[in-house]
Amino acid sequence: DAKTTQPNSMESNEEEPVHLPCNHSTISGTDYIHWYRQLPSQGPEYVIHGLTSNVNNRMASLAIAEDRKSSTLILHRATLRDAAVYYCILSPAYSGAGSYQLTFGKGTKLSVIP
Amino acid sequence: DAGVTQSPTHLIKTRGQQVTLRCSPKSGHDTVSWYQQALGQGPQFIFQYYEEEERQRGNFPDRFSGHQFPNYSSELNVNALLLGDSALYLCASSLVSRVFGANVLTFGAGSRLTVL
Repeated sequence: DAKTTQPNSMESNEEEPVHLPCNHSTISGTDYIHWYRQLPSQGPEYVIHGLTSNVNNRMASLAIAEDRKSSTLILHRATLRDAAVYYCILSPAYSGAGSYQLTFGKGTKLSVIP
Repeated sequence: DAGVTQSPTHLIKTRGQQVTLRCSPKSGHDTVSWYQQALGQGPQFIFQYYEEEERQRGNFPDRFSGHQFPNYSSELNVNALLLGDSALYLCASSLVSRVFGANVLTFGAGSRLTVL
């Protein structure tokens, strides 16, 4: 599986935007970029995913570089509830037959300062 | 809408014992995966079940086995427990898609296993 590189930790002030970077220089043409986050004492939670174009949903935005070798997860206004470990994951397009897995790295631990 | 539920939430075992963890997938989902998360690490894929069969397996020994039932719920069994098996065990569910594309997993809160 293609690998991703993320900073170990980041800090943000509450109510300010947060940009979480992810490098994935070996991404293949059919790899999707997924972001999950894990709040303390909880399981990972899906945030957003994309293939080539930028994506927006109620939780965040995903900006994908034109060459797809990097991406940025954008939280528009950080709240204390956004303090979590954020994982950037590449996954090949799902082709059915019930075979699917995610390969997690260590992620970025985001701290939000009140 | 109930998400993924796991039981028990915490348990303590001693080396050599056996443990069974249980998972009920999110309503409408038919595929269950299990992940192991050691302290300070990201989750590691153990295996995935679909249509009551193991479809894919990660780099885990045969001591780790599982089962999926007709109602899509699943069990993870670990035999001959080692100290290194102490971890958070996560269950994730999804819906098999017949369409080529991305898949999204819904995770439970996990079962925290401590082996003494």
